[in-house]
Amino acid sequence: GAVVSQHPSRVICKSGTSVKIECRSLDFQATTMFWYRQFPKQSLMLMATSNEGSKATYEQGVEKDKFLINHASLTLSTLTVTSAHPEDSSFYICRGSLRGGYGYTFGSGTRLTVV
Amino acid sequence: TQLLEQSPQFLSIQEGENLTVYCNSSSVFSSLQWYRQEPGEGPVLLVTVVTGGEVKKLKRLTFQFGDARKDSSLHITAAQPGDTGLYLCAGSSGNTPLVFGKGTRLSVIA
Repeated sequence: GAVVSQHPSRVICKSGTSVKIECRSLDFQATTMFWYRQFPKQSLMLMATSNEGSKATYEQGVEKDKFLINHASLTLSTLTVTSAHPEDSSFYICRGSLRGGYGYTFGSGTRLTVV
Repeated sequence: TQLLEQSPQFLSIQEGENLTVYCNSSSVFSSLQWYRQEPGEGPVLLVTVVTGGEVKKLKRLTFQFGDARKDSSLHITAAQPGDTGLYLCAGSSGNTPLVFGKGTRLSVIA
């Protein structure tokens, strides 16, 4: 089945630093990658949608200059949290999708803690 | 804005009991998915339903898509501790991003 590998699974960083999260589709070409944030005991909140080779579309309220998304190839998308603050601490999850299909596959998530 | 309301939000039952989780909307979805998520992990797809009135079974889990494709239910028979987790429904319609419900947190006590 389709697999999305997400790294790192956990990261602790100091306030003000930047953190990069990678999602790789291992056996399919993820033409679209969705990035979500999930706070404790809550559902997934869509942050942005990226299509390979084009700029990401951000949801309302999500700062595009703070959450940089790159989807340079059909198998790799990255989310960089810049100048992280404690309120950015959350569980970040990516989801790869095949265009036109129901091929939704989630990564395993990244627990970010900003201290 | 499309919304999916899930109920109940929390459910704690004894092993062997049956339960039903509901996912309701005022909007029509072309497809609806159910996921289970365990702490610290990404959601895992359980099933996708696309046809109004469709019923799918996955071992002890039975999924139903409403005739009008606005609602869905997940029924678990003889729940086991391994069924514990967060159950999420998610709807898709055309080219709009997947819409998630807030989830039902199930705890099955041995």
